[in-house]
Amino acid sequence: SQQGEEDPQALSIQEGENATMNCSYKTSINNLQWYRQNSGRGLVHLILIRSNEREKHSGRLRVTLDTSKKSSSLLITASRAADTASYFCATSKGTNAGKSTFGDGTTLTVKP
Amino acid sequence: DTGVSQDPRHKITKRGQNVTFRCDPISEHNRLYWYRQTLGQGPEFLTYFQNEAQLEKSRLLSDRFSAERPKGSFSTLEIQRTEQGDSAMYLCASSLAPLADQETQYFGPGTRLLVL
Repeated sequence: SQQGEEDPQALSIQEGENATMNCSYKTSINNLQWYRQNSGRGLVHLILIRSNEREKHSGRLRVTLDTSKKSSSLLITASRAADTASYFCATSKGTNAGKSTFGDGTTLTVKP
Repeated sequence: DTGVSQDPRHKITKRGQNVTFRCDPISEHNRLYWYRQTLGQGPEFLTYFQNEAQLEKSRLLSDRFSAERPKGSFSTLEIQRTEQGDSAMYLCASSLAPLADQETQYFGPGTRLLVL
């Protein structure tokens, strides 16, 4: 079974609005990453947050991590139609753990 | 830009045939990963290499699946006697781990397999 679960499964908003996606996971982690995937394509890395960090920003993206609740959120501000994609969180237990474990994603639709 | 490349991008085969996919990682990356993704789901880990060594294999990787990275550069993933359930997107990623600030995995465009 997957480590992470994203919520909601699907989100539809108007251009200019903010989009918030949540990710919950089950076991302790070393880091958590968010990826974007446009339909039928590979994954694009967005941001990495380590277990000792609580918040990170990158452009219009803001990621928070609450290790006590085993959850993370991705906020996209001032959304654009080009942000339409699926967003996945992926957790890793450490640099020597190798693999990342993905959730099933949130499908975001931004209407122009 | 020399990102992760995968070949072929699409493959259609008949059940029972063997298929082989290739992945070329970012040149200086020592780790290479294979994932499988089915429609509507997130990628599932299959296996990963550090240089030539295959360090972990998922239980998802049945005996029909084999992966190699003979010279620590490109990798191949072979599926023998394909089944319709093997239809999926096969994703390759690479990274510079285990350096502490290099955990990010960079993904290729994927190979979409359809088994008829």
